[in-house]
Amino acid sequence: EAGVVQSPRYKIIEKKQPVAFWCNPISGHNTLYWYLQNLGQGPELLIRYENEEAVDDSQLPKDRFSAERLKGVDSTLKIQPAELGDSAVYLCASSLGFRTANEQFFGPGTRLTVL
Amino acid sequence: DAKTTQPNSMESNEEEPVHLPCNHSTISGTDYIHWYRQLPSQGPEYVIHGLTSNVNNRMASLAIAEDRKSSTLILHRATLRDAAVYYCILSPEYGNKLVFGAGTILRVKS
Repeated sequence: EAGVVQSPRYKIIEKKQPVAFWCNPISGHNTLYWYLQNLGQGPELLIRYENEEAVDDSQLPKDRFSAERLKGVDSTLKIQPAELGDSAVYLCASSLGFRTANEQFFGPGTRLTVL
Repeated sequence: DAKTTQPNSMESNEEEPVHLPCNHSTISGTDYIHWYRQLPSQGPEYVIHGLTSNVNNRMASLAIAEDRKSSTLILHRATLRDAAVYYCILSPEYGNKLVFGAGTILRVKS
């Protein structure tokens, strides 16, 4: 079974440019998460979806970050405009549901470098 | 969110058991204890989780103190592939919100 797929794996952009990350979760997983991971730190949740609905986006900087999961399957995270401090790894994860016992499966991440 | 405390780093010899400690003195009665690990250049992966009783799976064992204020992840025979950052996380039953700390960097020597 395929795992969580993310693309691109690496992205280098100049500040003030827009950037988008794509995630395809494991088939049948209705819960999808986007995390941000800075160097040397653990991942931090940005947003969680239950199907198409964003049920926890309290940590998403809404002035420049947006996310969507239109058909309840794959998802896109966008930053516009990017800032130097956005350089990090962006991780997508999915799980069968929102019970904590449901294991979260992570993708390999997209490493963003903002110059 | 209840907080966990882990050592910054640990070192182990290959083929030997490793005991990774985690303190969580403010754990609530409904918090599950999760362990995830993150290998270099990869996303985190699930290791094990438990509530009150000790748990075993193919990857590891989880020993939970009787008062639940601490737990220990046990790797029975460390291999070089076990070198990773190990995260101990508390989470309530619903919401599946994982709050990662800095974790423990495990180094395995051959």
